[in-house]
Amino acid sequence: DTEVTQTPKHLVMGMTNKKSLKCEQHMGHRAMYWYKQKAKKPPELMFVYSYEKLSINESVPSRFSPECPNSSLLNLHLHALQPEDSALYLCASSQVLGTANYGYTFGSGTRLTVV
Amino acid sequence: GENVEQHPSTLSVQEGDSAVIKCTYSDSASNYFPWYKQELGKRPQLIIDIRSNVGEKKDQRIAVTLNKTAKHFSLHITETQPEDSAVYFCAASINTSGTYKYIFGTGTRLKVLA
Repeated sequence: DTEVTQTPKHLVMGMTNKKSLKCEQHMGHRAMYWYKQKAKKPPELMFVYSYEKLSINESVPSRFSPECPNSSLLNLHLHALQPEDSALYLCASSQVLGTANYGYTFGSGTRLTVV
Repeated sequence: GENVEQHPSTLSVQEGDSAVIKCTYSDSASNYFPWYKQELGKRPQLIIDIRSNVGEKKDQRIAVTLNKTAKHFSLHITETQPEDSAVYFCAASINTSGTYKYIFGTGTRLKVLA
């Protein structure tokens, strides 16, 4: 299995709703990432998990709450979002071997619309 | 802070011609430089990467060159085809407290005209 699977593919939520995005990979990657991508912009890093521990939080508002239950799963819990949070949310994973860098494998993303 | 500049923002070429996209990075400690292709409505996909101990890498019609002194790296696509049309992002790795992350360039929209 060489894929990162994200669910749901599309999500419409109100500003008072609570929802979760899910990401799963079975490649044995020990680094997992959440990115936010607005139209015609590059992906913007939100969180990095390394060996199931949060290692980078790019000053993301607390209405986004990440969770890494195990080495294969990554969740992003959403609460009280704003319309400007509407975007494509991408999950990615990569190998972690010493100090070497490896390319990401991205999921297909969840297209989120906040109404 | 660290940043990656990417040029041009849009590029149109005739089918069969070559395309070159250039990036400049700011962190001299960056040591890994991937390139991603993103077709409309799809995920970014890694197409080629290069590490700082190598000056050039080639994979069929795609090549990447790296000039560490100048902190430049470039993507070269030869014999372009309509299916090469997409947005291309360069990236440079930086180490933040022992964890690597990528800084992405702003993207180049490549159009290959048939």
